[in-house]
Amino acid sequence: QKEVEQDPGPLSVPEGAIVSLNCTYSNSAFQYFMWYRQYSRKGPELLMYTYSSGNKEDGRFTAQVDKSSKYISLFIRDSQPSDSATYLCAMSPVSSASKIIFGSGTRLSIRP
Amino acid sequence: GAVVSQHPSWVICKSGTSVKIECRSLDFQATTMFWYRQFPKQSLMLMATSNEGSKATYEQGVEKDKFLINHASLTLSTLTVTSAHPEDSSFYICSVSTPSTEAFFGQGTRLTVV
Repeated sequence: QKEVEQDPGPLSVPEGAIVSLNCTYSNSAFQYFMWYRQYSRKGPELLMYTYSSGNKEDGRFTAQVDKSSKYISLFIRDSQPSDSATYLCAMSPVSSASKIIFGSGTRLSIRP
Repeated sequence: GAVVSQHPSWVICKSGTSVKIECRSLDFQATTMFWYRQFPKQSLMLMATSNEGSKATYEQGVEKDKFLINHASLTLSTLTVTSAHPEDSSFYICSVSTPSTEAFFGQGTRLTVV
């Protein structure tokens, strides 16, 4: 079993739709949770960063962490074609500069 | 966030030659940098942790004699793929981790071995 599971997609939705991306994990030591966006042939770009359970909102993006269920989500409101990319969840245990474990990434396509 | 510059962005080399990839932290002194490899349509796999002034820590299954890492200063880490073979063709990405554990990535290097 992988430490982090993420549906690879592809996921295709119409412009303006709400997108829900999810990951599950098995290691209860994970405390820091991140979402990255990666365009083709580019390095990942940090979108959201959360610590412990709860919600965090930044513009059209909301990150949600449920540690009791070992489940994290990223919601994208009013999705735009420019949001089309691969979204990677990532997590690490409690320490600075520690190893980050990535999900496999979900390919998202927003149809105009 | 931290600015991470990776060079070159792409390289083609002949089988059996060596290739060096540089990763620079432009606005942050990084005692630790990370090197990842990403195959097409797959996630990032950590190869090694680069520690300034000491030996790198390699993940299981990564050949340390093939993937040489040098972290000569707080702003520069290099990855050298020695005696490269076609199966080493991949997307190599470095990252810098800040004290708050946020990680920032370089733009990646696409290596093609022919």
